[in-house]
Amino acid sequence: TQLLEQSPQFLSIQEGENLTVYCNSSSVFSSLQWYRQEPGEGPVLLVTVVTGGEVKKLKRLTFQFGDARKDSSLHITAAQPGDTGLYLCAGGQWDMRFGAGTRLTVKP
Amino acid sequence: EADIYQTPRYLVIGTGKKITLECSQTMGHDKMYWYQQDPGMELHLIHYSYGVNSTEKGDLSSESTVSRIRTEHFPLTLESARPSHTSQYLCASSGGGSGNYGYTFGSGTRLTVV
Repeated sequence: TQLLEQSPQFLSIQEGENLTVYCNSSSVFSSLQWYRQEPGEGPVLLVTVVTGGEVKKLKRLTFQFGDARKDSSLHITAAQPGDTGLYLCAGGQWDMRFGAGTRLTVKP
Repeated sequence: EADIYQTPRYLVIGTGKKITLECSQTMGHDKMYWYQQDPGMELHLIHYSYGVNSTEKGDLSSESTVSRIRTEHFPLTLESARPSHTSQYLCASSGGGSGNYGYTFGSGTRLTVV
């Protein structure tokens, strides 16, 4: 049983479109992180959210942590081809568990 | 510039060989991790360490072993490689408590056992 469920699994959109991807769990997390991974590389940390209801913005990316700290969303505004990659959420305490990721393709 | 280094980047070896995947970090992080990831799939935690002389097994059953003799070094060893070990192995480190500071990952070692 996967601890963190990410949806959608795959997403292909045109440059300039907006999108939202989700990370859901039945467990409560003290913190949740989002990473982006490009082919052949390790994941790179985008953001950590800690407080229920917290919203963090990173340029065109908006991250939200659910009030109950069981879910999170990532919204990208005006997607660009450079946003293409595998988006992973991770939660836990000392040893983080990862979701299977959303593979995003942004076409020019 | 990467602060966590994994070598080799790519490795093709024959069945039955002993191999060690190297991971070193220069950030002074006390926590280090090994994850296994098949192409397009999720990361599975196989080993972790909270400090020198501390090692624990993760969720995914693995025939590999690890050691943590120095803070900066966390090598992973396969005593007898098999084709089922073919995968990407990612090393990560963390300096914060409760995972709040996030992980820094290396670029990975892509292992192929033939």
